[in-house]
Amino acid sequence: QLQLQESGPGLVKPSETLSLTCTVSGGSISTTSYYWAWIRQAPGKGLEWIGSIYYTGSTNYNPPLKSRVTISVDTSKNQFSLRLSSVTAADTAVYYCARHQGVVGANDYWGQGTLVTVSS
Amino acid sequence: EIVLTQSPASLSLSPGERATLSCRASQSVGTYLAWYQQKPGQAPRLLINDASKRATGIPGRFSGSGSGTDFTLTISSLEPEDFAVYYCQQRSTWLTFGGGTKVEIK
Repeated sequence: QLQLQESGPGLVKPSETLSLTCTVSGGSISTTSYYWAWIRQAPGKGLEWIGSIYYTGSTNYNPPLKSRVTISVDTSKNQFSLRLSSVTAADTAVYYCARHQGVVGANDYWGQGTLVTVSS
Repeated sequence: EIVLTQSPASLSLSPGERATLSCRASQSVGTYLAWYQQKPGQAPRLLINDASKRATGIPGRFSGSGSGTDFTLTISSLEPEDFAVYYCQQRSTWLTFGGGTKVEIK
């Protein structure tokens, strides 16, 4: 059974960079056709796609966030990572990692999510 | 950006009743629409893909329909575990989600 698990600091200061890692187990991150995504959900709000990466390193980002987002992959560790720079309180959210098929696709496996709070 | 508008924002129903949730897109997404269920403190769970295809393990009481700009998720007979928030998602142009519909126990 495929499992995804987010990890990283739960508290980040304003203007700093948020960094999270998603570890994939029960399957290979290098499986063809599957992309790996970051999605967030502000408290009490809806879902927002941040971006996705293929095991080759090819990325797609949500245009409103593109200037601040970097997603990378480490196939040797079966992990992919998110960096979001210049954070503000508006970036406070539960961050999920997830899988989807194709460049854009429905997310069939999700991590449990991790809350990141931006505060001084 | 394609905007998805879900209605109603909340729905109060009793177990055994039929739930009908709507999702309207600001422009055509073909059938590139998915539905998710989310319970408090949990990640979303994929219910329906490509407008009408049930995901693996999803009970038959969940069904999806529609194409273009208007979509519907129907739960034919609500079970206690179905009370949750439901989101639609389009993948025609990148990925965007609707604002959600909360199905509450009456």
